[in-house]
Amino acid sequence: GAVVSQHPSRVICKSGTSVKIECRSLDFQATTMFWYRQFPKKSLMLMATSNEGSKATYEQGVEKDKFLINHASLTLSTLTVTSAHPEDSSFYICSARDTVQPQHFGDGTRLSIL
Amino acid sequence: AQTVTQSQPEMSVQEAETVTLSCTYDTSENNYYLFWYKQPPSRQMILVIRQEAYKQQNATENRFSVNFQKAAKSFSLKISDSQLGDTAMYFCAFMKRSHLQGAQKLVFGQGTRLTINP
Repeated sequence: GAVVSQHPSRVICKSGTSVKIECRSLDFQATTMFWYRQFPKKSLMLMATSNEGSKATYEQGVEKDKFLINHASLTLSTLTVTSAHPEDSSFYICSARDTVQPQHFGDGTRLSIL
Repeated sequence: AQTVTQSQPEMSVQEAETVTLSCTYDTSENNYYLFWYKQPPSRQMILVIRQEAYKQQNATENRFSVNFQKAAKSFSLKISDSQLGDTAMYFCAFMKRSHLQGAQKLVFGQGTRLTINP
């Protein structure tokens, strides 16, 4: 079945650094990918919709300059958390849609900012 | 805008029992999908079952079935013969049916933490 690979699975870094998270569709092409944020014991909150070859569409309240999204190919979208601070610590999950299932999810990235 | 509500933050049942998780939603759309996702402690999101709104027949997947009441905007999940591996967070989700890929975003409920006890 369709697989979405998300990397890294866990990252710990110092405050002020930028962190890049990759989301790859391994066996299908995804013109649209989605990025979610999940706080502990909470639901998934959609951050943005990543569109191949064009700008991402951000949800209300999400800072586009803080969370940079690039979708340069049909199989790869990246989320860069710029100048990360402790409040950016969270679990980030990407997903991609193929022609069969609504969304295939990556395994998530646990981001910890010290 | 669509909203999804799961009114049961936590539930707990004994192994082999049947459990029903509730979900209600609000939308003005007529064509849409509804889903139940499972998120075990590994935090991987696993699709449990899906329902197309235009289909009257309730979806079933082995031990999992739904009770879809379109007029009442209700979409409950029934787990029969529950197993220890069913312990997880369960999320109900809504998605508009659209040819526009960017419009095909999932709206999630708050989740229900289900624990199956031995």
